[in-house]
Amino acid sequence: GAVVSQHPSRVICKSGTSVKIECRSLDFQATTMFWYRQFPKQSLMLMATSNEGSKATYEQGVEKDKFLINHASLTLSTLTVTSAHPEDSSFYICSARRSSGRSDTQYFGPGTRLTVL
Amino acid sequence: GENVEQHPSTLSVQEGDSAVIKCTYSDSASNYFPWYKQELGKGPQLIIDIRSNVGEKKDQRIAVTLNKTAKHFSLHITETQPEDSAVYFCAASMGGSQGNLIFGKGTKLSVKP
Repeated sequence: GAVVSQHPSRVICKSGTSVKIECRSLDFQATTMFWYRQFPKQSLMLMATSNEGSKATYEQGVEKDKFLINHASLTLSTLTVTSAHPEDSSFYICSARRSSGRSDTQYFGPGTRLTVL
Repeated sequence: GENVEQHPSTLSVQEGDSAVIKCTYSDSASNYFPWYKQELGKGPQLIIDIRSNVGEKKDQRIAVTLNKTAKHFSLHITETQPEDSAVYFCAASMGGSQGNLIFGKGTKLSVKP
């Protein structure tokens, strides 16, 4: 399967600071990447769709000014959690869509555990 | 919009037994159905997927079946092993650039040695 990496894997920060998470597709180009959030024992919640070279599309209820997404290249998307608060503590997972002919497949990164103190 | 229901939420089997997880979807336009395995503290890993032009797909001990008329699809794991223990998510989408994955709520599978 395709490889998607995330960095950092774990981050602890103080309330009010900003945190940047990187998502990279290592062996394919991805025009579309996705950012998910997952609370303990729950399913994945789509936050936003990141499109290379254009603005991200945010799901309803997700604050675009708080969760800044940049997809500057075909292999890199970043999520910045601005002015983080304890309620932002969660497991953030990115995925990248690989297109192959008429079919698309989505591969996930290993996730980033964010803890805001 | 699409809605995906997944059952059961928890499943416990004895090593060597089979495990079956079922999902139903609501949008008949969906044509891509992947299954992901998520181990504790890790991201979901794609284990098998099926597209609407086939009814069944198998990869060693894992198989997925699709019934488009009834709008349901299932994951079958045979000869389960303790390392199969994880949370499994089904998903559905319209595929291509138009469809985002809609996930089920997950099934926690425990395989007892």
